[in-house]
Amino acid sequence: EVQLVESGGGLVQPGGSLRLSCAASGFTFSSYSMNWVRQAPGKGLEWVSYISSSSSTIYYADSVKGRFTISRDNAKNSLYLQMNSLRAEDTAVYYCARDIKAHYYYMDVWGKGTTVTVSS
Amino acid sequence: EIVLTQSPATLSLSPGERATLSCRASQSVSSYLAWYQQKPGQAPRLLIYDASNRATGIPARFSGSGSGTDFTLTISSLEPEDFAVYYCQQRSNWPRFTFGPGTKVDIK
Repeated sequence: EVQLVESGGGLVQPGGSLRLSCAASGFTFSSYSMNWVRQAPGKGLEWVSYISSSSSTIYYADSVKGRFTISRDNAKNSLYLQMNSLRAEDTAVYYCARDIKAHYYYMDVWGKGTTVTVSS
Repeated sequence: EIVLTQSPATLSLSPGERATLSCRASQSVSSYLAWYQQKPGQAPRLLIYDASNRATGIPARFSGSGSGTDFTLTISSLEPEDFAVYYCQQRSNWPRFTFGPGTKVDIK
């Protein structure tokens, strides 16, 4: 079964850091580009970051650029999101999602999400 | 940044009825538009990509059309499991991928 499982969410104070992980199974992780997408409570979807299969191409939304870092370990079938200088507006459910095809930028497999709450 | 506008915000229909959802882009996105379905407490699910291609496993009652700035998602006959929020997403203006605000389809 194709599956993505996020972890690492939690409560953090403003200015703090958190590292999210996404474990992939059931498909050849190293062949797919991956994304992080977030959803603030009661709000819509916001794309956060993209990484190509070989990590050669990385993109960030303007709202997180300079604060978040996406990475992956193909040997461990894992995707990561290092989040620094967190703000209240970063509070959201964070989903990892697979690109349907290389450089296609549509997401066909999603995890269940991990919740990040930034509050003092 | 390309802004996507979805209408209506809420669509109240009965099972068996036809649903027509609209997504309008602030500038042309060619055919680079997808539709997702999201149910409460669940992750989004890809329905349609490149405006009119159904994703794997998506029932034929879901169809997409349009190009340029105006797009439509049609559900030919609503099933009980189709009541959800639907989002459009563009990939034309990479790497600034954007989603629309969503249309909620609820039971009348």
